[in-house]
Parts: sequence; C-alpha cells; structure tokens
Amino acid sequence: DSGVTQTPKHLITATGQRVTLRCSPRSGDLSVYWYQQSLDQGLQFLIQYYNGEERAKGNILERFSAQQFPDLHSELNLSSLELGDSALYFCASSVSSGTSGSNEQFFGPGTRLTVL
Amino acid sequence: KNQVEQSPQSLIILEGKNCTLQCNYTVSPFSNLRWYKQDTGRGPVSLTIMTFSENTKSNGRYTATLDADTKQSSLHITASQLSDSASYICVVSDYNAGNMLTFGGGTRLMVKP
Repeated sequence: DSGVTQTPKHLITATGQRVTLRCSPRSGDLSVYWYQQSLDQGLQFLIQYYNGEERAKGNILERFSAQQFPDLHSELNLSSLELGDSALYFCASSVSSGTSGSNEQFFGPGTRLTVL
Repeated sequence: KNQVEQSPQSLIILEGKNCTLQCNYTVSPFSNLRWYKQDTGRGPVSLTIMTFSENTKSNGRYTATLDADTKQSSLHITASQLSDSASYICVVSDYNAGNMLTFGGGTRLMVKP
C-alpha cells in the first residue's frame, strides 16, 4: 500500500458525459501528479500540482482539468468524454515538486474509466 | 524530443531463471533514472532510482545498472519467481524537463512455473 488513495476504483459512463476522479496523497506529500494509461500503452503524464498550484502540464487535453484543494487532495475532471478516453488514470504523490532522485513518486491504485 | 525505449516488449521465462531488461534513452542532460514494477491493473511501484554518479543499484533480486555515457540501463532479475510477472517501466528525468518524467513503454515479463 503506497498510502495514495484514489476513488472510485471503477467508473463506467457514456460518451459526452463528465466525470470527476479523486486522489488523496500520502500524508506529508505536497505534490500530486496525474497520469493516463490507455490499454497496452505507456504512462502519459497529464498534470502536476504542488501545494495547490499548477506546477507542470503534460499531454492533457483541453477537455480535462484538475485542481488541488487546501487539504491537498486533488480532483481530475474529464468532460465531453470520448471512447478513446477509456483508460486507467493514476495519481501519484511526492514530498516536493522536483524530479530529483530523492523525490520519489508513489502511485495510487488507479481509477479504471470505461466510456461506452 | 526525449525518448525512452525499452526492450524486449515482452518476455517469457521459466521460474528460477535470470533475465535482463534493457532501457535506452535520449534524455539530456540526464538527472536520474528509475525502474518501476507494475502489476496488471495496479499502480507502479519503484524498484530503484539511480543518479548520474551511480552505475549499479540493487533491491533484493533486482539489480539495475546505468551507463550514462551510452545512455543505457538494464534491470537484471535473479532467480525469478512467479510474482515477478509484471510490466517493468524505465523512467528518465532531466534537468531541463521541469517536473516531467519521460516513461518507456515497458517490458511485460511473464514467469512460468
């Protein structure tokens, strides 16, 4: 158990809908990262928040948005869903914001999104 | 563009045997390289993190090597167990990437009895 929690575990919805994925980081971690992993694909970095502020943005679509709240939990909002958005969405957390070797990222169990 | 290439894409070995997974990267300037293990449908778990100055690091039966000159890394698994069946992902970060990591596509390992 990494200490990172994600809800829900599974989500099934229809095209055009909007969903919200939730992540609670490990106690003491200030950074939260969101990743997408499509079937048989590698992990794609979406976005990072550090202590409530957006810190880095990767290949995140305009239909997707995220935020980190004062209690440090984060939500990833996916709207106007398409079939191709079906994937595993992982949240990770780390103590600080950099990518140095000492700033290890701990991954949550993921949310499996299925868009029908 | 930073890239991380892993080989082979998939591998099947018998329980008890050793294997080596490869990772080549073009990330420059290099900061650190990580190997993660990802069980099917679960989040990745860190195995090792190596910086520029380290050329080998072990974690139990897992040993990672790094050659920063040739931009290659390998992950050697000794005396494989059924529980080693997973995807192994090589991840590289560089000083100029801000806070982003570059992920390889992974090697899917299956250990058979």
